[in-house]
Amino acid sequence: AAGVIQSPRHLIKEKRETATLKCYPIPRHDTVYWYQQGPGQDPQFLISFYEKMQSDKGSIPDRFSAQQFSDYHSELNMSSLELGDSALYFCASSAPAGANVLTFGAGSRLTVL
Amino acid sequence: GNSVTQMEGPVTLSEEAFLTINCTYTATGYPSLFWYVQYPGEGLQLLLKATKADDKGSNKGFEATYRKETTSFHLEKGSVQVSDSAVYFCALKSGANSKLTFGKGITLSVRP
Repeated sequence: AAGVIQSPRHLIKEKRETATLKCYPIPRHDTVYWYQQGPGQDPQFLISFYEKMQSDKGSIPDRFSAQQFSDYHSELNMSSLELGDSALYFCASSAPAGANVLTFGAGSRLTVL
Repeated sequence: GNSVTQMEGPVTLSEEAFLTINCTYTATGYPSLFWYVQYPGEGLQLLLKATKADDKGSNKGFEATYRKETTSFHLEKGSVQVSDSAVYFCALKSGANSKLTFGKGITLSVRP
């Protein structure tokens, strides 16, 4: 079965650079969620999109932005990167029916040097 | 707002020991409850879920029962294996398209 695809899997950036993470949800899933997980931490909700509109917003820094495109894939853009942005970034998607289950991607590991 | 509280870890058990990981929650309405597992270096995988009071979720020998009266969703397994070593997250969700709120997670190590 198709899963949630995230790219890149690993990314290394310098401070003050920008980074873009991509997420391809499971086909026919209409809601995408982004989470950030620091080392040894629980995942923190950043932002979500339902039918290409922002549906909820969590602890996402102003330096970050995201959107969901017409094909339902989503991108998380991070600018002016800081050392503290180093983390695993997970994308998850859920289906319209029985929409209580989130399926997570394998994550993108961002390292800021 | 919604919150999930997990017992503090880490937990170290011998193979074939009984496992209980406590989880309690605070939420408005009637949330769905989940356990996710994260193996070393991997993403989050759904282990089991329960969507209403008294439901029992089960998978791979793990079980958890949705207890509304005690607002709990404790995870149990009768006989753990080395391969169960991972981080376990309790989580809740209040309605369709809403975010998942996680507990702090607990690291389980099972020794042979």
